[in-house]
Amino acid sequence: QITLKESGPTLVKPNQTLTLTCSFSGFSLDTSGVAVGWIRQPPGKALEWLALIYWDDERRYSPSLKGRVTITKDTSKNQVVLTVTNMDPVDTASYFCAYSAKIFASWSWRKWGQGTLVSVPS
Amino acid sequence: QSVLTQPPSVSGAPRQRVTVSCSGSSSNIGNNDVKWYQQRPGQAPSLVLYKDSILPAGVSDRFSGSKFGTSASLAISGLQFEDEADYYCETWDDSLKAWVFGGGTRVTVL
Repeated sequence: QITLKESGPTLVKPNQTLTLTCSFSGFSLDTSGVAVGWIRQPPGKALEWLALIYWDDERRYSPSLKGRVTITKDTSKNQVVLTVTNMDPVDTASYFCAYSAKIFASWSWRKWGQGTLVSVPS
Repeated sequence: QSVLTQPPSVSGAPRQRVTVSCSGSSSNIGNNDVKWYQQRPGQAPSLVLYKDSILPAGVSDRFSGSKFGTSASLAISGLQFEDEADYYCETWDDSLKAWVFGGGTRVTVL
């Protein structure tokens, strides 16, 4: 059974760096065709993809975050870490980590963590 | 403004069939497969369709999907109160080099 759980601060001051950890079980991130990503959702708004890291350490980032985001993995700990620099009140959102796998040549977010709400006061 | 356009809301009576549309362009839906996610209030999203029309294990066969050109649709037949949720389409955009989501559609059972 695949599970993921996000952890990190619930409150971040403007201009500070946010560091979130995704701890997962039920799969290994060094298995071919597997990836973990981050998606966020401002209150009452739509989902927005942020970053993804593949089993082979290839990384992809949303161009909308303009270099503010970094994703890394620690396969031995079954963890993926997301950092977002220069936080702003518009970054207030629920942050989800999700498991992705390539099935029938299609990557999709197959399992999601519960999400963690991060607030940036103005 | 989302790259993929969805209607803000659709509604239907129990046992009716509703459809949710997702409109994109040649750089996203027109050239890549579409996924659909269900998000009930206060919960994380969950995958209900991938590769345009394939149901993941455990998802009700009342859900179905289709794609034609640069648009995709999610249909829910035999509508039930448990289907009340927000639904999001998602795909890869070749120009943006990013996964993009639609703005979401609230499905309400009357």
